[in-house]
Amino acid sequence: DAGVIQSPRHEVTEMGQEVTLRCKPISGHNSLFWYRQTMMRGLELLIYFNNNVPIDDSGMPEDRFSAKMPNASFSTLKIQPSEPRDSAVYFCASSRPTGTGFLHFGNGTRLTVT
Amino acid sequence: KNEVEQSPQNLTAQEGEFITINCSYSVGISALHWLQQHPGGGIVSLFMLSSGKKKHGRLIATINIQEKHSSLHITASHPRDSAVYICAVETNTGNQFYFGTGTSLTVIP
Repeated sequence: DAGVIQSPRHEVTEMGQEVTLRCKPISGHNSLFWYRQTMMRGLELLIYFNNNVPIDDSGMPEDRFSAKMPNASFSTLKIQPSEPRDSAVYFCASSRPTGTGFLHFGNGTRLTVT
Repeated sequence: KNEVEQSPQNLTAQEGEFITINCSYSVGISALHWLQQHPGGGIVSLFMLSSGKKKHGRLIATINIQEKHSSLHITASHPRDSAVYICAVETNTGNQFYFGTGTSLTVIP
């Protein structure tokens, strides 16, 4: 199993640009999570999906952030327009139904907005 | 108020020492996770607990549901155990997640 695959590994963009982060969960996992990690706030859950449906997006910072999961094998996190304070490492994780399985994390995308 | 509190925040140990990291939480949970974040940034799930105790190699995780407390123990610590250890809980209502701020462990040879 290839594990959770995130792309890109690094993204550097200018303020105001649109950024799209991608995640491919482990096959058979029906829960997918997007996290953000910063020095100031640590690890934060942004949104998670069960069976491709967003369940809790209360962690999404503001309307500039949006996440989609069009099918069981792909999810995107989009920031439009990006701002310097969005600079962070964004992790995607997948698991079997919440409360029943390990969280399997991708390697993360390090985003720098200048 | 943080729903999940970890202690200590930083921990330095000599190789071979027994290490304990504590996690207390204030919400009802369906599961508690211990995560390890390597110096390179990658995150690995070490344990998922809903009761009792689990052991994997030199790592032991325990949880006391009544006291809302979990501990992660590392026996015979090794420099390669140096990492940040994060406690995370899934609530039993609304499936929300809360994270501790992490414990940074450094094991000195």
